[in-house]
Amino acid sequence: NAGVMQNPRHLVRRRGQEARLRCSPMKGHSHVYWYRQLPEEGLKFMVYLQKENIIDESGMPKERFSAEFPKEGPSILRIQQVVRGDSAAYFCASSPPNSRDYEQYFGPGTRLTVT
Amino acid sequence: AQSVTQPDIHITVSEGASLELRCNYSYGATPYLFWYVQSPGQGLQLLLKYFSGDTLVQGIKGFEAEFKRSQSSFNLRKPSVHWSDAAEYFCAPSIGGNKLTFGTGTQLKVEL
Repeated sequence: NAGVMQNPRHLVRRRGQEARLRCSPMKGHSHVYWYRQLPEEGLKFMVYLQKENIIDESGMPKERFSAEFPKEGPSILRIQQVVRGDSAAYFCASSPPNSRDYEQYFGPGTRLTVT
Repeated sequence: AQSVTQPDIHITVSEGASLELRCNYSYGATPYLFWYVQSPGQGLQLLLKYFSGDTLVQGIKGFEAEFKRSQSSFNLRKPSVHWSDAAEYFCAPSIGGNKLTFGTGTQLKVEL
């Protein structure tokens, strides 16, 4: 059973470009979470999605950031018009439906560098 | 306001020595409590978790943690550290289990 997959692993964008980060959850998992890790900081929750639904987006910046988890395909975190402050590691995690142990399985992350 | 504190940013121990990493939280109700480990350039791996019941929980890789309600703490311990334990460790409380709030982490260095 493959783990959580994220691609690309490294992404370089110039200021003003768009960044698209993909996350394929583990097989059978229908819950996806995105976290951001800024340099020298811990991970911060961004958004929690289930298939075709955003459940909690309380950690998402109000502008330029969006997330989706379509019925088919990976979850996408989209950052429009990137700025240098968006440079960070973005981690995706997944969990199965109706999980009682609440374990989130993390992917290896996408490291975004904005030049 | 809900918060989690890991007071030690860096800890260095000798291989074979015991280890204790501190975690304190401030929540209105007792949250679910998790410890994760992150190796350089990698994602996070769950070490152990506490929901209720026995306050001493066992995890993977020989780690354990003790929940102390009176101190709002959930400290991680290991009796004998191995060089491969060098990594960053995060305490992460959660209300309801779906949204983890990570501490700033403790970077562990192991001296041979």
